[in-house]
Amino acid sequence: SAVISQKPSRDICQRGTSLTIQCQVDSQVTMMFWYRQQPGQSLTLIATANQGSEATYESGFVIDKFPISRPNLTFSTLTVSNMSPEDSSIYLCSAGQGGYEQYFGPGTRLTVT
Amino acid sequence: TQLLEQSPQFLSIQEGENLTVYCNSSSVFSSLQWYRQEPGEGPVLLVTVVTGGEVKKLKRLTFQFGDARKDSSLHITAAQPGDTGLYLCAGAKEETSGSRLTFGEGTQLTVNP
Repeated sequence: SAVISQKPSRDICQRGTSLTIQCQVDSQVTMMFWYRQQPGQSLTLIATANQGSEATYESGFVIDKFPISRPNLTFSTLTVSNMSPEDSSIYLCSAGQGGYEQYFGPGTRLTVT
Repeated sequence: TQLLEQSPQFLSIQEGENLTVYCNSSSVFSSLQWYRQEPGEGPVLLVTVVTGGEVKKLKRLTFQFGDARKDSSLHITAAQPGDTGLYLCAGAKEETSGSRLTFGEGTQLTVNP
């Protein structure tokens, strides 16, 4: 398994601004992912963070709104750009070794006012 | 269209009761995972099942993967208040990469003392 940390754990931001969320894994991993979740609800995959290349986005998510970086095998960032109240959510990163299992960070709770 | 249908969505029971959560799909999955999530934390992997008909036990939790690999169930015996949480099933489809998961809607379980 992998231990994953995220920063910040929570933030309150004004509309129109941007927030960058960091995800750090304690070991090298093949795959890293970013999800969005409303409290008590399911997870929606935003994108797969690819090391050394552009992220792969799911339908409904675009790079201009959610730019993602993955400079190495242990670290990734997700930026939520030009935020609106609809972006208020929990953002989770996960990591896997290319098999079926994923391990999740504790999440970043974002509130946009 | 939700690929994985979870039921029930909400379940409130008394300590000591048994319960079953179901995860159903019309699609075939290479594997299926069950996660539990508590408020303010990320999902924690409980089990992965990969073989049709497979049964795995984790203390009082029993997980089963359907013969056709389209459905799964989670049975908890003698539930405890510590079992309270959001239970999520997640499947990896054969035609996508092994790591990309589709999540069910989740089952919010409350075990009352």
